[in-house]
Amino acid sequence: AQKITQTQPGMFVQEKEAVTLDCTYDTSDQSYGLFWYKQPSSGEMIFLIYQGSYDEQNATEGRYSLNFQKARKSANLVISASQLGDSAMYFCAIGGSNYKLTFGKGTLLTVNP
Amino acid sequence: NAGVTQTPKFQVLKTGQSMTLQCAQDMNHNSMYWYRQDPGMGLRLIYYSASEGTTDKGEVPNGYNVSRLNKREFSLRLESAAPSQTSVYFCASRRGPALGQPQHFGDGTRLSIL
Repeated sequence: AQKITQTQPGMFVQEKEAVTLDCTYDTSDQSYGLFWYKQPSSGEMIFLIYQGSYDEQNATEGRYSLNFQKARKSANLVISASQLGDSAMYFCAIGGSNYKLTFGKGTLLTVNP
Repeated sequence: NAGVTQTPKFQVLKTGQSMTLQCAQDMNHNSMYWYRQDPGMGLRLIYYSASEGTTDKGEVPNGYNVSRLNKREFSLRLESAAPSQTSVYFCASRRGPALGQPQHFGDGTRLSIL
């Protein structure tokens, strides 16, 4: 079984500052992948970034980076230079060998001007 | 570039009515999924289809049935709707089993059962 824990129900950040959204996971798979999705208030789910369990480098996609610490079983999302449009719900998810993704309960990020 | 299309976008049902939620993808993906999203619960997997011709239960399958009609289409049926099934339903698709393949989501169906 796989499990994702997102301990921050809500986070606030000032525009142009960086913010870290926490994600810890549990899995019995040796090979697995970690995903982050963004859900704005309009409701759609947008894929942001992926990290494989055997990737040595932390993943980056533009202003998004994934701080992957395998020994701690954490996969935190870092958003640099926050923008007002980053205000959204963010979900961490884990996938293994069984085609499925398991999602966390999400963190609601609010970017203040 | 449609991606994953869900119909309808909104629906109100009465308890005991039946309904089918439709999902189609035009990305030639092999795997398709149905989730429900409830406040504070994240996304929970109802059913999935790893490939055409197969379907499997997810975390919360009770009260639902699915049909993988062909490679493009994956429908979700509520045979006798209950108020507990009021939720936002998302369909997703994925190219294949490789770990790095993300799931791509439709815009959701907001379903209310009175």
